[in-house]
Amino acid sequence: NAGVTQTPKFRVLKTGQSMTLLCAQDMNHEYMYWYRQDPGMGLRLIHYSVGEGTTAKGEVPDGYNVSRLKKQNFLLGLESAAPSQTSVYFCASRRTSGSRGNEQFFGPGTRLTVL
Amino acid sequence: ILNVEQSPQSLHVQEGDSTNFTCSFPSSNFYALHWYRWETAKSPEALFVMTLNGDEKKKGRISATLNTKEGYSYLYIKGSQPEDSATYLCARNTDKLIFGTGTRLQVFP
Repeated sequence: NAGVTQTPKFRVLKTGQSMTLLCAQDMNHEYMYWYRQDPGMGLRLIHYSVGEGTTAKGEVPDGYNVSRLKKQNFLLGLESAAPSQTSVYFCASRRTSGSRGNEQFFGPGTRLTVL
Repeated sequence: ILNVEQSPQSLHVQEGDSTNFTCSFPSSNFYALHWYRWETAKSPEALFVMTLNGDEKKKGRISATLNTKEGYSYLYIKGSQPEDSATYLCARNTDKLIFGTGTRLQVFP
């Protein structure tokens, strides 16, 4: 099991460029999440998905779009990157919320710099 | 309390000291409380998921307690070691996790 993987690991963009971050999990988890981590801010939820074909907004969704076309993949898109989106992005997944005790599993992170 | 709050923000202790930190969260509509350990340059890893008032969980030298009625959880580390140095995050669970900003622990030899 690879667990949760993220592609790419690092990326530098110019303002206005677009890109897609890919998250993949091989644990058959229903729930998937995208977070950003900034100094002093902890982990903030961007978007999440409770199943294939569904997405929902988190705390800081502006400037991002997501898609969950396949259960194992969760894509995060930046249509027009801005310097404020410089951050480390973490993806996570979790089994169905039918059990309250399910932990989240995190990917290794993607470090994005927008110049 | 509207959000998840953690204190202290950072903590420096000597090897062998025991330490504890606090997570406060809204007590209404409680579902579950998560603790994660996050080492620098790595991903957060789950320590405990706590669901019942009065829960106590233990993993080696690390333990946690939960009070859902008053909205707090304590994380204890007994006999801190340098390898315990990390940021400890707690998160309130609904259909998504709302994280606190963490307690950054540094243990000096």
